Amino acid sequence: AQSVTQPDIHITVSEGASLELRCNYSYGATPYLFWYVQSPGQGLQLLLKYFSGDTLVQGIKGFEAEFKRSQSSFNLRKPSVHWSDAAEYFCAVRASTNAGKSTFGDGTTLTVKP
Amino acid sequence: GAGVSQSPRYKVAKRGQDVALRCDPISGHVSLFWYQQALGQGPEFLTYFQNEAQLDKSGLPSDRFFAERPEGSVSTLKIQRTQQEDSAVYLCASSLTLTDDEQFFGPGTRLTVL
Repeated sequence: AQSVTQPDIHITVSEGASLELRCNYSYGATPYLFWYVQSPGQGLQLLLKYFSGDTLVQGIKGFEAEFKRSQSSFNLRKPSVHWSDAAEYFCAVRASTNAGKSTFGDGTTLTVKP
Repeated sequence: GAGVSQSPRYKVAKRGQDVALRCDPISGHVSLFWYQQALGQGPEFLTYFQNEAQLDKSGLPSDRFFAERPEGSVSTLKIQRTQQEDSAVYLCASSLTLTDDEQFFGPGTRLTVL
């Protein structure tokens, strides 16, 4: 069975500082990996996804993530955080053999200090 | 509309009541997904459809939960004899195809069972 762990429940960074949100997954084969952002009162929005190929993936809003098979990780990064990035971030995994079923982590809440 | 819409946005039910939650996917999207998001947790997969066919319902918590998509467009998630543990946000998502397309999420329906 697939699973996702986001070790950090809450992270606080200063505006302009760099950000890294951790995600570890468990799945037997190469998974499909996703990062979503959820702002209060809004639906989840896809930031980026990894299916295959280049392990460094670029997304929207200046985010990127790197797939590291040896570490079963897919960490999200941003070089300079903006106040508007404050939100909850979810990592998700989907099996390549069951395209309908995604498994989400419990999320990391990001607070941005002025 | 431009996005996935869900109604009602908020629902309060007394324990034992039946509820019906509606999802209007993006026009033309073949696949539709339902998730349950408890407070402080990530979304958990419930079920998904490809057109009118329900391909996986392994995430439905009990036989009190039932989902349908009779004409391959609008979907309804029905919960019979609601219990307090059913209190959560119910998210709907749709995608153009099943395999590797982005899932677009609605704002969710917050269900509170008293």
